[in-house]
Amino acid sequence: SQQGEEDPQALSIQEGENATMNCSYKTSINNLQWYRQNSGRGLVHLILIRSNEREKHSGRLRVTLDTSKKSSSLLITASRAADTASYFCATEGETSGSRLTFGEGTQLTVNP
Amino acid sequence: DTAVSQTPKYLVTQMGNDKSIKCEQNLGHDTMYWYKQDSKKFLKIMFSYNNKELIINETVPNRFSPKSPDKAHLNLHINSLELGDSAVYFCASSQLRPPGYGYTFGSGTRLTVV
Repeated sequence: SQQGEEDPQALSIQEGENATMNCSYKTSINNLQWYRQNSGRGLVHLILIRSNEREKHSGRLRVTLDTSKKSSSLLITASRAADTASYFCATEGETSGSRLTFGEGTQLTVNP
Repeated sequence: DTAVSQTPKYLVTQMGNDKSIKCEQNLGHDTMYWYKQDSKKFLKIMFSYNNKELIINETVPNRFSPKSPDKAHLNLHINSLELGDSAVYFCASSQLRPPGYGYTFGSGTRLTVV
């Protein structure tokens, strides 16, 4: 299967709730990144966590990385309707050169 | 100012035609990419150029030919378009050295082959 599998594939929550998305990968990585894609738009870089880091925060975002389990999670706290988008994890491998390998994405819907 | 701009935004064309998509970045990045996003939103790298030199060439039909006249531009030319080429194509850029920074994506070109 593909590098960077994500779950759930779709998540629907109410405004104010927290949203958690998970990502798994298969090979050794240099870093893992999360991107957001609004419908019909390009990808926007949210946060990058290096392989020697375990947790990182940016505003309402919290990312964890467990290299022993080859997994990461993205937590969005106090969600807003404007957070509705697709969220992708992507890995930059140790040996894959300059490339991002993307997961399949999680479609997040935040209901007002 | 748009950091990574690609044109056109939409492209509708008939099978067999040849078309080009242009991409420019004003971030001073040394590496540029083309990604393809299919109808299921899966993103896959096609090509990568570092300082005008091809460094990644995935298993892409040779009907697809990238060209990088300078490190700020990476164009994609597609010959003999097929129905299966319909997708959204994204240009992106990053700084390869030092490593470990995010990529900046363009807004995409939606290609529809009819």
